[in-house]
Amino acid sequence: KNEVEQSPQNLTAQEGEFITINCSYSVGISALHWLQQHPGGGIVSLFMLSSGKKKHGRLIATINIQEKHSSLHITASHPRDSAVYICAVISGGGADGLTFGKGTHLIIQP
Amino acid sequence: DADVTQTPRNRITKTGKRIMLECSQTKGHDRMYWYRQDPGLGLRLIYYSFDVKDINKGEISDGYSVSRQAQAKFSLSLESAIPNQTALYFCATGSTYNEQFFGPGTRLTVL
Repeated sequence: KNEVEQSPQNLTAQEGEFITINCSYSVGISALHWLQQHPGGGIVSLFMLSSGKKKHGRLIATINIQEKHSSLHITASHPRDSAVYICAVISGGGADGLTFGKGTHLIIQP
Repeated sequence: DADVTQTPRNRITKTGKRIMLECSQTKGHDRMYWYRQDPGLGLRLIYYSFDVKDINKGEISDGYSVSRQAQAKFSLSLESAIPNQTALYFCATGSTYNEQFFGPGTRLTVL
């Protein structure tokens, strides 16, 4: 069973700061997801990675397969970025669902 | 319209009652999943299905059952609800490219 660890668990920052959330996993994977969950509860997929780096707007996700580590970066953070960010991995063939980290609760203060 | 829908969105019930949570999707995906989210524990897989004739147990299937009535529909049942099944439940679909799409969630409270 893959173990997924996220850090930090909680993060409070000021608007405009550069944010980094880290994720490590114990077993080789097919792909890694970064998910966002707002206070209303809905979950949105931000990125799916199997190698390298992806960028969407102010969000950047990287993955190092050899080190079993991924990071999610937010540039020029804004209060609307406040949410829980969840790392999740797919192992093996991928059909048997995701294994999730416990999430990072991010608060961006104006 | 949302690609993955769940009904009901909120439900309060009593211990011992039978509850069914329903999920429908218009993504055309064969893979469907039920997850449960608890504070401090994160999301965990309850059951998953690759197609109508395929049902698989996940990490925490005890106390739950599922039915895949059609490609688009996947229901989760609690035969006799207990308070520690109080949680937020998510249905999701999965593409063959490992993308996952989540429903809006069902908040279940068992008194």
